[in-house]
Amino acid sequence: LAKTTQPISMDSYEGQEVNITCSHNNIATNDYITWYQQFPSQGPRFIIQGYKTKVTNEVASLFIPADRKSSTLSLPRVSLSDTAVYYCLVVPGYSSASKIIFGSGTRLSIRP
Amino acid sequence: EAGVAQSPRYKIIEKRQSVAFWCNPISGHATLYWYQQILGQGPKLLIQFQNNGVVDDSQLPKDRFSAERLKGVDSTLKIQPAKLEDSAVYLCASSLRLAGDEPDTQYFGPGTRLTVL
Repeated sequence: LAKTTQPISMDSYEGQEVNITCSHNNIATNDYITWYQQFPSQGPRFIIQGYKTKVTNEVASLFIPADRKSSTLSLPRVSLSDTAVYYCLVVPGYSSASKIIFGSGTRLSIRP
Repeated sequence: EAGVAQSPRYKIIEKRQSVAFWCNPISGHATLYWYQQILGQGPKLLIQFQNNGVVDDSQLPKDRFSAERLKGVDSTLKIQPAKLEDSAVYLCASSLRLAGDEPDTQYFGPGTRLTVL
């Protein structure tokens, strides 16, 4: 089972770029890297997903090096509303029988 | 588009009592998941349905937990009897099959916070 390691917590300030790195040394060939965001008293919300290189959407970028043993979620110009827990997951491809496992996440705090 | 609906939002029971949670997924989503999230931890998958069939229930404590999705739409998760360690948020999620092998995006409901006294 691929597990992930990410910082327990991070602090930053409004307007800064925040990079959260996740380690997944045992990632399998058909696994994807997925990030979710969770606010208090809410369910997790999908942010971004990728397999290799770089993926960008309207809220974040995901950088995955060639060996895929780590990945970095980049949040540009954060605001107070980005304060949340961020989960990095290694998710099996649809045809895989592997399980989806959430770690403990990174608690991101944004200050004015 | 309506999101995943769950009820109740909060439930307080005493140990050894029974409790049931209900989930209505996003319309058209064939896959439904139930997760348990203990305070300070990430969600743990309890059971995954594809339509009304079980795909994975390996982490469901089957001596006390049960789940059903009879018509392939809404689902019920039951705990009988409850233990103190069952205090957690129970999250329901649903997903729509994408093309190819890329994993589906899961859409989560707000969860039911269970307190067992």
